[in-house]
Amino acid sequence: AQKITQTQPGMFVQEKEAVTLDCTYDTSDQSYGLFWYKQPSSGEMIFLIYQGSYDEQNATEGRYSLNFQKARKSANLVISASQLGDSAMYFCAMRIDGRDDKIIFGKGTRLHILP
Amino acid sequence: NAGVTQTPKFQVLKTGQSMTLQCAQDMNHNSMYWYRQDPGMGLRLIYYSASEGTTDKGEVPNGYNVSRLNKREFSLRLESAAPSQTSVYFCASSENTKNIQYFGAGTRLSVL
Repeated sequence: AQKITQTQPGMFVQEKEAVTLDCTYDTSDQSYGLFWYKQPSSGEMIFLIYQGSYDEQNATEGRYSLNFQKARKSANLVISASQLGDSAMYFCAMRIDGRDDKIIFGKGTRLHILP
Repeated sequence: NAGVTQTPKFQVLKTGQSMTLQCAQDMNHNSMYWYRQDPGMGLRLIYYSASEGTTDKGEVPNGYNVSRLNKREFSLRLESAAPSQTSVYFCASSENTKNIQYFGAGTRLSVL
């Protein structure tokens, strides 16, 4: 069965430091997509970044990058130069191709940025 | 610039009452979804609709019904609310290539 695991329930990081949020996934499918979403305290879910399983380059979106290691089945989110506004819950998610466009979510990591 | 709009934002029900959560998207997406979010559980899929006129069960469909009224609108109905349905409900829609899902602001529901 497909599964997303986020092993860090919470993290505290000093402002301006880089942050890595861990995500491992389990699937036997070859074609899939990986996502990261941010949920600030206001509650909305904000899409951050996407990586396809056949993409050779790691995805980047501004200060966000996805460290995709296919053989290890990991898709860690890296936030460079963290800011106070990065304090939020972060969810890793996976889409399995051919499964009616459904995605599954991990349980999330709560990130606290310290001034 | 609306994206996905959910109503209401907050609701308190008594056990046994019914209600419908409304969701509309203006991005011309084919697929729409309803999730619930409980503390420590991430998001769990209740129902989804891959296209207008079709709906399918997700991971936790019991106690819910859905209607895909047209391409824009996808509603979630609780026929007889139970305290276990106290949760935050999110509607989402997605485009069909990468399936990036875009979420509404959520509905916080309490069932007493």
